[in-house]
Amino acid sequence: QSVLTQPPSASGTPGQRVTISCSGGSSDIGSNTVNWYQQLPGTAPKLLIFNNDQRPSGVPDRFSGSKSGTSASLAISGLQSEDEADYFCSAWDDSLNGWVFGGGTGLTVL
Amino acid sequence: EGQLVESGGGLVKPGGSLRLSCEASGFSFNSYWMHWVRQVPGKGLVWVSRINIDESTINYADSVKGRFTISRDNAKSTLYLQMDSLRAEDSALYFCARNVIKYSNSGGYYYYYMDVWGKGTTVTVSS
Repeated sequence: QSVLTQPPSASGTPGQRVTISCSGGSSDIGSNTVNWYQQLPGTAPKLLIFNNDQRPSGVPDRFSGSKSGTSASLAISGLQSEDEADYFCSAWDDSLNGWVFGGGTGLTVL
Repeated sequence: EGQLVESGGGLVKPGGSLRLSCEASGFSFNSYWMHWVRQVPGKGLVWVSRINIDESTINYADSVKGRFTISRDNAKSTLYLQMDSLRAEDSALYFCARNVIKYSNSGGYYYYYMDVWGKGTTVTVSS
């Protein structure tokens, strides 16, 4: 059971906007920044969003992140077929003294 | 940007040991903290351990504390994970990842993220 809670699945049609939520607590998201990772089938995770809402160079601006209190969200606009992947949120947990991840959300582009 | 390549995975019996390696290239390995993260196929990511630049700060997930040992050789640009007393539940794909530390001047805080990941090495614990 993951410390951070994400919906197990999400879906949308090409061009749509999809949002993935990530819920935590006071010792993780409530106290630290949130990162998001994209994992395409059979590949290693790739950094998608860091420091709640910043994109590494090369990540399209269709991807955006936000954080409020003990929750965070990843939004993908203009959905494309290549966005079909698993998405994980992550934050440092001050109580566990370690990194925690969400269980992952599998995104399907219909 | 940098590259990480893991090795050392394999099949081991319960109670056995294995040492994973993660060779870094394309960046100054001795300037970065490093992590091990594992993933059971089809499941989520689980953080295992992290180590700072000079091995003075090391943290482990509770599930591996006392059984796994993280270390590094900066001269060889290599990260290690010594895994002892292995259990079936340790079976997973093990990734190493580079840690970035930045300071937000506007927010007045440090933030951290894993920006480079290896492809992983598979560990299977089974009799």
